[in-house]
Amino acid sequence: DQQVKQNSPSLSVQEGRISILNCDYTNSMFDYFLWYKKYPAEGPTFLISISSIKDKNEDGRFTVFLNKSAKHLSLHIVPSQPGDSAVYFCAARSVDRGSQGNLIFGKGTKLSVKP
Amino acid sequence: DAMVIQNPRYQVTQFGKPVTLSCSQTLNHNVMYWYQQKSSQAPKLLFHYYDKDFNNEADTPDNFQSRRPNTSFCFLDIRSPGLGDAAMYLCATSPLNTYEQYFGPGTRLTVT
Repeated sequence: DQQVKQNSPSLSVQEGRISILNCDYTNSMFDYFLWYKKYPAEGPTFLISISSIKDKNEDGRFTVFLNKSAKHLSLHIVPSQPGDSAVYFCAARSVDRGSQGNLIFGKGTKLSVKP
Repeated sequence: DAMVIQNPRYQVTQFGKPVTLSCSQTLNHNVMYWYQQKSSQAPKLLFHYYDKDFNNEADTPDNFQSRRPNTSFCFLDIRSPGLGDAAMYLCATSPLNTYEQYFGPGTRLTVT
């Protein structure tokens, strides 16, 4: 059973507009969440993260929002650029997996930003 | 540039023929991970090394083994690949006590 769900396999957005990528989770033991971005033929690269004690984290054009009561997080990209076109993975870390913590990934959402 | 390197990028093996995938890192990170990612699926953790301590995920098949001879290198051995083992294999590293992982480009394994 998937603990991290990205229900939209793909998203298409116009350049300059906002991209919103969503992620839902089921495990209340998750205490840290990360977003990764993956271009074709490359490994995932870390984008932004958020601890469960926060509800928002911002880094330039990227903002992650966390709604713990709904077990939902979202990644906002504003403004979207064609170079943002990639697959975005949501990942979560469980507090009961020790200090290092292993990540549970979602299936990813493919974002296409059209010029 | 510090990085995670995976060789080869593409590997073709025959059904039942042992195959080894390799990963090296110049980041000097203590932790190394191996993930399996099938098409349109989430990366799935197979095992990880916490320095020399090997940690196997409960549902990782016995067919998959790993070796870490030193800090820089980690190998994934598939003893008898089946058609279902065709996937992208991702290696990742992280420093101690951080959650961010740094991934290599992956090795795409084809089993014929």
